[in-house]
Amino acid sequence: EAGVTQFPSHSVIEKGQTVTLRCDPISGHDNLYWYRRVMGKEIKFLLHFVKESKQDESGMPNNRFLAERTGGTYSTLKVQPAELEDSGVYFCASSQDWSGGFNTDTQYFGPGTRLTVL
Amino acid sequence: LAKTTQPISMDSYEGQEVNITCSHNNIATNDYITWYQQFPSQGPRFIIQGYKTKVTNEVASLFIPADRKSSTLSLPRVSLSDTAVYYCLVGDDDNTDKLIFGTGTRLQVFP
Repeated sequence: EAGVTQFPSHSVIEKGQTVTLRCDPISGHDNLYWYRRVMGKEIKFLLHFVKESKQDESGMPNNRFLAERTGGTYSTLKVQPAELEDSGVYFCASSQDWSGGFNTDTQYFGPGTRLTVL
Repeated sequence: LAKTTQPISMDSYEGQEVNITCSHNNIATNDYITWYQQFPSQGPRFIIQGYKTKVTNEVASLFIPADRKSSTLSLPRVSLSDTAVYYCLVGDDDNTDKLIFGTGTRLQVFP
């Protein structure tokens, strides 16, 4: 069974440009999460989809970030316009069932996309 | 804020047993305790999860005392390939599934 995949693995852009990151979760997983680690900091939650709906987007830093999951399959995370502080590694994870907040379902992570904003 | 506290780093040698203890004094009744492993340039990888007492799988064991205010990840007979960062996570207060990562424990295994 294929794991979580992310594309691209690396992206280097200039400040002010737009970048779109893609995540393909494990097939059949209803839950999709985005996390990121900026330089020297801990991995931080960004948002959580249950199928195509945003269950929790409390971690989204500002309105330059837009996440979508059309059809409840893959997801995209767009940063527009990118700023220097957006540099970091963006991880996607998926899990099978919505547990109602009891944090029991294993989240499987992708390899991450390393974003560098110059 | 992360709700767990674990050592920043640990060193070990091949073949030894490694125990990493995590404190989670404010763990909620519904919270499970989950450990992840992360290698450089990879995403975190699930190792083990438990609620109380002891859980064992093919990779590790997890010991949780009755008060659940701490837990210990035990890696038997580590090898060089176990060099990684290990994260202890518990649930979030607001009943969501999001994971809250702390700094983790950087385990270095020497030959």
